[in-house]
Amino acid sequence: QQQVKQSPQSLIVQKGGISIINCAYENTAFDYFPWYQQFPGKGPALLIAIRPDVSEKKEGRFTISFNKSAKQFSLHIMDSQPGDSATYFCAASKGGSARQLTFGSGTQLTVLP
Amino acid sequence: DTAVSQTPKYLVTQMGNDKSIKCEQNLGHDTMYWYKQDSKKFLKIMFSYNNKELIINETVPNRFSPKSPDKAHLNLHINSLELGDSAVYFCASSQGYQAALYFGPGTRLLVL
Repeated sequence: QQQVKQSPQSLIVQKGGISIINCAYENTAFDYFPWYQQFPGKGPALLIAIRPDVSEKKEGRFTISFNKSAKQFSLHIMDSQPGDSATYFCAASKGGSARQLTFGSGTQLTVLP
Repeated sequence: DTAVSQTPKYLVTQMGNDKSIKCEQNLGHDTMYWYKQDSKKFLKIMFSYNNKELIINETVPNRFSPKSPDKAHLNLHINSLELGDSAVYFCASSQGYQAALYFGPGTRLLVL
């Protein structure tokens, strides 16, 4: 049972373009939605996170958009750079706890120079 | 300073062997985890552990066992290794019930 569905599986974007990765969840008890970034050969690292009391959170070129009624959230990377090429994981948690974290299946982003 | 470290980085072994992976965190966190990342990069939690409670993902075979000598260390022991155990194993830590996970660099296990 996949509680967090992520799409697309892979994404190729030109430098300067906008990268958009989408996630959908089923469990309405989820109340914390982080995104993790993983470079080849490295462990995932927390990139940005949102709680359902806000519809959008922006940190630099990275923005999370959250739609509670649709049970969907997305990551937007503005002005995508080759250095953003990595695998991105969305995740969701109940009670804001890492112990209850459920990951999506990942999106491999390639930004072409 | 490395926040979460793992050894070894690579581990190649024969089927049927027993092996261990070590993990140490210097963040002062009270909860540590082991995750398995398969060839499709899917991340699956195996264990979470603090000094009070060990939570085991029910799908993890009992050949896998975490051992924590102290709050800063959580080692993973694997008995009777199987081909399907080949994966990247990540240690991670968090503080209390905060949701930010800090991952180690991973141990790439190949079972021949």
